[in-house]
Amino acid sequence: EIVLTQSPGTLSLSPGERATLSCRASHSISSSYLGWYQQKPGQAPRLLIYGASSRATGIPDRFSGSGSVTDFTLTISRLEPEDFAVYYCQQYGSSPLTFGQGTKLEIK
Amino acid sequence: QLQLQESGSGLVKPSQTLSLICAVSGGFISSGGRSWSWIRQPPGKGLEWIGYIYKSGNAYYNPSLRSRVTISVDTSKNEFSLRLTSVTAADTAVYYCATESVVGRPYWGQGTLVTVSS
Repeated sequence: EIVLTQSPGTLSLSPGERATLSCRASHSISSSYLGWYQQKPGQAPRLLIYGASSRATGIPDRFSGSGSVTDFTLTISRLEPEDFAVYYCQQYGSSPLTFGQGTKLEIK
Repeated sequence: QLQLQESGSGLVKPSQTLSLICAVSGGFISSGGRSWSWIRQPPGKGLEWIGYIYKSGNAYYNPSLRSRVTISVDTSKNEFSLRLTSVTAADTAVYYCATESVVGRPYWGQGTLVTVSS
């Protein structure tokens, strides 16, 4: 099983700042199979990034994904008020599919 | 684009069987190239993959749930389903259906809350 570890657990930033979220895998992952999701309370997870770096339709370009092998990063270049939420990474290339435990992005 | 919609009982008694269906529109399960998953999220907790199935009917399950889970597919109805037996309160969660592909983006349904309670 590929364990995904996200850091930090909580990130406190102000609107306008840059956010960098990390997802580290216990074993190598093909970049084709790494996704990032945003989840707000009471809502389903929203796909932001798939294939490690491809933005889903309608996702603002302030969101970007990068990385390979075991280290992946989600960057939000300039935080907007609506970006404060929980973010999950997921690998979907190896069974069992696994998720990180989440990073909570909160307003400082 | 693909759309997925979960349906099924929102309240299940302990020890009984949870059954959900995921209806797919905007594309066909029979087209191939995708896996079709069930994922759940207990209240206030993270996401847990339950298992997935291919159009062929080959299914793969989370080892932690394997003894209680069955995922099946009906390509004629363009839907796939989840059965989880012997449920307890720990199975209370929002259940999502989703699909993944090596050549395209994942898609998720909006989720359905299933509560296990007598």
